[in-house]
Amino acid sequence: DVKVTQSSRYLVKRTGEKVFLECVQDMDHENMFWYRQDPGLGLRLIYFSYDVKMKEKGDIPEGYSVSREKKERFSLILESASTNQTSMYLCASSPGRGYQPQHFGDGTRLSIL
Amino acid sequence: GDSVTQMEGPVTLSEEAFLTINCTYTATGYPSLFWYVQYPGEGLQLLLKATKADDKGSNKGFEATYRKETTSFHLEKGSVQVSDSAVYFCALSGDAGNMLTFGGGTRLMVKP
Repeated sequence: DVKVTQSSRYLVKRTGEKVFLECVQDMDHENMFWYRQDPGLGLRLIYFSYDVKMKEKGDIPEGYSVSREKKERFSLILESASTNQTSMYLCASSPGRGYQPQHFGDGTRLSIL
Repeated sequence: GDSVTQMEGPVTLSEEAFLTINCTYTATGYPSLFWYVQYPGEGLQLLLKATKADDKGSNKGFEATYRKETTSFHLEKGSVQVSDSAVYFCALSGDAGNMLTFGGGTRLMVKP
């Protein structure tokens, strides 16, 4: 089975801090994704990457950046955390060929105080 | 662009009732279709999938048939359990290839 591991289930940070969310997948997938999930807003794509060192903006990239130095690892960075970034963050991966399902991690519930 | 529409919840059922969650889609070409389930406090898990018209995906007693003529992929289960209480997401992978388009999710609550 595909395993997507997010480094923290729960995280509490303060406004203005630089926050790193880590995600690792063990299936040699080319594609990796970061979403945030908020009540009433569903899943929204922040960034995705289809190869090492490649990244593409999703629907809501403002206030975020990403890093993909190795194929198995995709990091989401909140440059200066703000309270409106309190959310559930979900990482996913999928094979490079199209029309494939994405496999999700368990999520990180991030609170910015 | 592609879109997925699900029935709004919450859907509240008694244990052993029949479940249907409606899902319709708009897409060009021949998308693949998926149902995901999200249990409280967890990420999304792939429940089932179908890759071409008339395919039936099934898993854990859940079924969904890819109906191209009605652009639908309704989720069904003959007898729900309390443990099926979760949020269910319909999704498609279309011409964008690597991207998924999600519906808004439907919360299912099953009472004993």
